[in-house]
Amino acid sequence: NAGVTQTPKFRVLKTGQSMTLLCAQDMNHEYMYWYRQDPGMGLRLIHYSVGEGTTAKGEVPDGYNVSRLKKQNFLLGLESAAPSQTSVYFCASSASRRPGETQYFGPGTRLLVL
Amino acid sequence: LAKTTQPISMDSYEGQEVNITCSHNNIATNDYITWYQQFPSQGPRFIIQGYKTKVTNEVASLFIPADRKSSTLSLPRVSLSDTAVYYCLVSYNTDKLIFGTGTRLQVFP
Repeated sequence: NAGVTQTPKFRVLKTGQSMTLLCAQDMNHEYMYWYRQDPGMGLRLIHYSVGEGTTAKGEVPDGYNVSRLKKQNFLLGLESAAPSQTSVYFCASSASRRPGETQYFGPGTRLLVL
Repeated sequence: LAKTTQPISMDSYEGQEVNITCSHNNIATNDYITWYQQFPSQGPRFIIQGYKTKVTNEVASLFIPADRKSSTLSLPRVSLSDTAVYYCLVSYNTDKLIFGTGTRLQVFP
């Protein structure tokens, strides 16, 4: 099992450009999440999905869109990148959404917006 | 508003016991507390999880007092490889997953 993988590992964008981050999991998990991690702020939930075809907003959803067309994939899109979106993005998955369910994280995508 | 607070950093020496406390106000009856460990350039990794009183596994213990407004991660006899950032996560009984801001643990030889 590869677990949770993320593509790409690192990307540099110019302000206004768009891009899509791909997350894939091979554990047949129902729930998937996108977080951003910034210095001194821990991890903040951007969007999450409770199953194929469903998505929901997290704590900081503005400027991002997501899609879950296949159960194993969760895409995070930036339509018009801004410097404030410079961050490290982590994808995670869990078998369910019950309180305390373990989340499995990917290795992260480092994004720099100039 | 739900909030999770941790110390920013802690230092220790090899072989010592380290206790990291997380404060979580407004925790609800059904919410769990989970701790994750993160090494540089990696995603967080599950360490331990609990609901009340004490939980112990092969790497750590988790102490949760009766009022559940805080929790303490205890790492027995730390080694250099325990140098990492530790996050507490409180799974509130809403759609919010509130991570703490993380505690950077530095273990010295």
